[in-house]
Amino acid sequence: GEDVEQSLFLSVREGDSSVINCTYTDSSSTYLYWYKQEPGAGLQLLTYIFSNMDMKQDQRLTVLLNKKDKHLSLRIADTQTGDSAIYFCAERGANTGKLIFGQGTTLQVKP
Amino acid sequence: ETGVTQSPTHLIKTRGQQVTLRCSSQSGHNTVSWYQQALGQGPQFIFQYYREEENGRGNFPPRFSGLQFPNYSSELNVNALELDDSALYLCASSWDLQETQYFGPGTRLLVL
Repeated sequence: GEDVEQSLFLSVREGDSSVINCTYTDSSSTYLYWYKQEPGAGLQLLTYIFSNMDMKQDQRLTVLLNKKDKHLSLRIADTQTGDSAIYFCAERGANTGKLIFGQGTTLQVKP
Repeated sequence: ETGVTQSPTHLIKTRGQQVTLRCSSQSGHNTVSWYQQALGQGPQFIFQYYREEENGRGNFPPRFSGLQFPNYSSELNVNALELDDSALYLCASSWDLQETQYFGPGTRLLVL
């Protein structure tokens, strides 16, 4: 079936890089997304990657996709305290608009 | 800011009551999707509307229903509220069926 898994918590020091990992099961996934959620707020789209790509870079964000292992990662360079939030990985299969989300990774950035 | 708005921001209801949540999609978007996010969990897909028709439904009972209007705004209705319906309800719009979804701020529903 469809499932997306993430580790629950990551703590880093300000200025370090953060790497948040995600695995998914649906081999028909076409797009994979990263969303950020701050306390009490909705989801903010950070970036996405098409399934035929293996890397995408957008300023401080780098997404790596290993389609063979169904593994997705989000690297945040020079992590700042403002990056503290919950990060959700989501996948969308072919011929559907439904997003399947992981349970979220809480990123704590220590000064 | 995505341009997706939701109302109300917070709501308190009692078990058995009915609730209507509203969503205005971003300008130019014809597709609205609804998600339920329980505390500490990822969002779960409820259903999606495309040009006023339901297009896909998640594993939610029929007491969850929706509408999309000609201006592409949408409503989520929940009948016979249960305690487990307490959650953040998120609306997302996209410019077409399988395009990137942009989320609103959500409506937080508490059922007592």
